[in-house]
Amino acid sequence: AQKVTQAQTEISVVEKEDVTLDCVYETRDTTYYLFWYKQPPSGELVFLIRRNSFDEQNEISGRYSWNFQKSTSSFNFTITASQVVDSAVYFCALSEGVNRDDKIIFGKGTRLHILP
Amino acid sequence: EAEVAQSPRYKITEKSQAVAFWCDPISGHATLYWYRQILGQGPELLVQFQDESVVDDSQLPKDRFSAERLKGVDSTLKIQPAELGDSAMYLCASSLHRGTGELFFGEGSRLTVL
Repeated sequence: AQKVTQAQTEISVVEKEDVTLDCVYETRDTTYYLFWYKQPPSGELVFLIRRNSFDEQNEISGRYSWNFQKSTSSFNFTITASQVVDSAVYFCALSEGVNRDDKIIFGKGTRLHILP
Repeated sequence: EAEVAQSPRYKITEKSQAVAFWCDPISGHATLYWYRQILGQGPELLVQFQDESVVDDSQLPKDRFSAERLKGVDSTLKIQPAELGDSAMYLCASSLHRGTGELFFGEGSRLTVL
């Protein structure tokens, strides 16, 4: 069965600090997708990234970067030079199956507080 | 920018009453999802539609929950009768194609059952 674990329930950092959100997943499938979503206070989940299980190349998008390591079944998310607007709940997610979004399993989320 | 519309935004009801939520996905999105998010938890899939057909409703409590997407566009999720444990955020999402994994979510409907 697939499972996503986000061990950090809540994190608080001061603005401009770097912060890493951890994600560990479990799956028996060799083909899967991993995702990160952001849920700001408004409640609407926003897609951030999708990573194919065959692509372990790390990705950087502005202040965001993702580190995918199959050897440790981890898909960690780092925010560099954090800003107050980054305050939100962040969810790591996993999907298996022929169609990658057949069933997306979300972790419990990490609530990130960026303090001014 | 196109959005997924949901209503009502908030709903307070008494247990044993019926409640309904409506979702209008982004135009052209064939796949529609209903998720339930309990406070402090991640979203859990209730039902997934591909056009008007149900693809997955294995986690939908069918004794009290029902969902339909009659014309393959907007969708309704109904709970009857509501129970205290149904208090949660009900999120609708859509995607253009199956297989992308990129879901577009609405702002959700927050249900409180008293």
